[in-house]
Amino acid sequence: EDKVVQSPLSLVVHEGDTVTLNCSYEVTNFRSLLWYKQEKKAPTFLFMLTSSGIEKKSGRLSSILDKKELSSILNITATQTGDSAIYLCAGFTSGTYKYIFGTGTRLKVLA
Amino acid sequence: NAGVTQTPKFRILKIGQSMTLQCAQDMNHNYMYWYRQDPGMGLKLIYYSVGAGITDKGEVPNGYNVSRSTTEDFPLRLELAAPSQTSVYFCASSYSGQGANEKLFFGSGTQLSVL
Repeated sequence: EDKVVQSPLSLVVHEGDTVTLNCSYEVTNFRSLLWYKQEKKAPTFLFMLTSSGIEKKSGRLSSILDKKELSSILNITATQTGDSAIYLCAGFTSGTYKYIFGTGTRLKVLA
Repeated sequence: NAGVTQTPKFRILKIGQSMTLQCAQDMNHNYMYWYRQDPGMGLKLIYYSVGAGITDKGEVPNGYNVSRSTTEDFPLRLELAAPSQTSVYFCASSYSGQGANEKLFFGSGTQLSVL
């Protein structure tokens, strides 16, 4: 059965800290891994990764995929209180065209 | 460009009632999905569709039905509502699964309570 596991489940840091969120996947016919940020309501897109070893960056956020280890990490540097959210990762399978989500990591950044 | 539109935003049902959650997208996306999110949990797939006339079950389909008569619309039907269906429901869509089009777009969600 396809599954995506995220760790840690929750994390509390102080502003300015750097955090690393983990995502491991077991997805048949894996095609891509996506990261989303969820604040009040709907998830918002952060990154999509398809190739191993290529880092995607957007400001203080970056992510990389390791297809050999079936995992991905999301790094946030110089955290701010506005980074407080649930971070979700999802594996996309080209076999059934489903997105399989992990349970998310709840990040709280203290001022 | 409206994106993915869900209605209603909030709803309270009594046990045994039925309702339909509406979802429409105007991006000409082939694939559409219904997820539910329970408090503190990730997204669980209820049903999905890869095109008009084609639907398939996800992880948690029991108690729900869907139809896809047009590319734009993908309503979710709850029959005989139960307290276990209290959740936030998200509709999402994506294009064809090729390259950058695998990005999944979400509606704003429906908060449903069954009492």
